Amino acid sequence: GEDVEQSLFLSVREGDSSVINCTYTDSSSTYLYWYKQEPGAGLQLLTYIFSNMDMKQDQRLTVLLNKKDKHLSLRIADTQTGDSAIYFCAESKPGGYQKVTFGIGTKLQVIP
Amino acid sequence: KAGVTQTPRYLIKTRGQQVTLSCSPISGHRSVSWYQQTPGQGLQFLFEYFSETQRNKGNFPGRFSGRQFSNSRSEMNVSTLELGDSALYLCASSLGQQSYEQYFGPGTRLTVT
Repeated sequence: GEDVEQSLFLSVREGDSSVINCTYTDSSSTYLYWYKQEPGAGLQLLTYIFSNMDMKQDQRLTVLLNKKDKHLSLRIADTQTGDSAIYFCAESKPGGYQKVTFGIGTKLQVIP
Repeated sequence: KAGVTQTPRYLIKTRGQQVTLSCSPISGHRSVSWYQQTPGQGLQFLFEYFSETQRNKGNFPGRFSGRQFSNSRSEMNVSTLELGDSALYLCASSLGQQSYEQYFGPGTRLTVT
């Protein structure tokens, strides 16, 4: 079945690193994504990783994928107050790239 | 380049009524997807249109329908509204075909009373 799970809440201090974790159940997932949603706004695609990759780095963001354990993580280096938002892990499969399955979202609170 | 736009941004309807939401994708994007976001269920996929054809569909009742026009703009319709239809409805566009990058609009907040 299709299921993406992530913890509901994470609190970090400004300047620290944040690590948001996610697990998925469908081994046929091909693309895994991280989206950010700020209050009153739509979703912003932060980064994505192909299932044949282990890691992807994009400025302050590092995505790690453990395909064996079906575990995905997003690390935000030097977390800023502007990073406070809800972060969604998501996945899609071949033939249904636009049919994305989302996790419930992790609310990141950055304490100044 | 202008982003995805959705109209209206806010809507209040009464149970039993019907509603139509509109989405204009990014210029050049041919795929439009719709999602429902609620506190209890999170984000759930409704359907996706590409070149005026529904290509993917989620697990929603037939009261939820959509269409796409030749200019790629899309509309979503919900008939016989129920209280549980209160949600943020998000539209996302992508180039289509094998494109996996979706860009979301700000959403339409629907409240059913």
